[in-house]
Amino acid sequence: QQQVKQSPQSLIVQKGGISIINCAYENTAFDYFPWYQQFPGKGPALLIAIRPDVSEKKEGRFTISFNKSAKQFSLHIMDSQPGDSATYFCAANGGSQGNLIFGKGTKLSVKP
Amino acid sequence: KAGVTQTPRYLIKTRGQQVTLSCSPISGHRSVSWYQQTPGQGLQFLFEYFSETQRNKGNFPGRFSGRQFSNSRSEMNVSTLELGDSALYLCASSFRLAGYNEQFFGPGTRLTVL
Repeated sequence: QQQVKQSPQSLIVQKGGISIINCAYENTAFDYFPWYQQFPGKGPALLIAIRPDVSEKKEGRFTISFNKSAKQFSLHIMDSQPGDSATYFCAANGGSQGNLIFGKGTKLSVKP
Repeated sequence: KAGVTQTPRYLIKTRGQQVTLSCSPISGHRSVSWYQQTPGQGLQFLFEYFSETQRNKGNFPGRFSGRQFSNSRSEMNVSTLELGDSALYLCASSFRLAGYNEQFFGPGTRLTVL
């Protein structure tokens, strides 16, 4: 049972454009939503995370938007750069889960 | 600080064999979690160890087991390997229990089962 659904599977964006990745969750007990970034040959690395008490969190060019009523959250990458080309995973945790539940990932390619 | 290290980086085994993977967490981190990453299923949680005790377990068969030593280093064992066990196995460490804390991932061990 997939508890965190992520879309799209892949995304191609032009340099300077906005990349948007969406995630939806089912368990209303989830209360921690991180995004991880993974480059080929490397393990995932924490990019940014949000708790449901805020609707938006921004760190540099990366912003998480959170909609608690819709049980959705998204990652926006502003001014996308070729160096942002990587696979992005959303995740969730909380309630009876002691571990992160990951989405299946989005492969982002930023074209120069 | 040195990052999370995993050994070996690549492994080729045949069906029915068993394998042991090793993970050294960041110094001072007491939690070690293991994940299986495949193209079809993405990142799936295997188990988490904290202070030598298994604190949480994912939905994997009993062929997958692990342990943690007093120095927080962890090993993961898979017995009676199946073709479907071919995957990237990732280890992640955190200072406290992993749930709400940043996890630092190692580069993974690529296991191929023939």
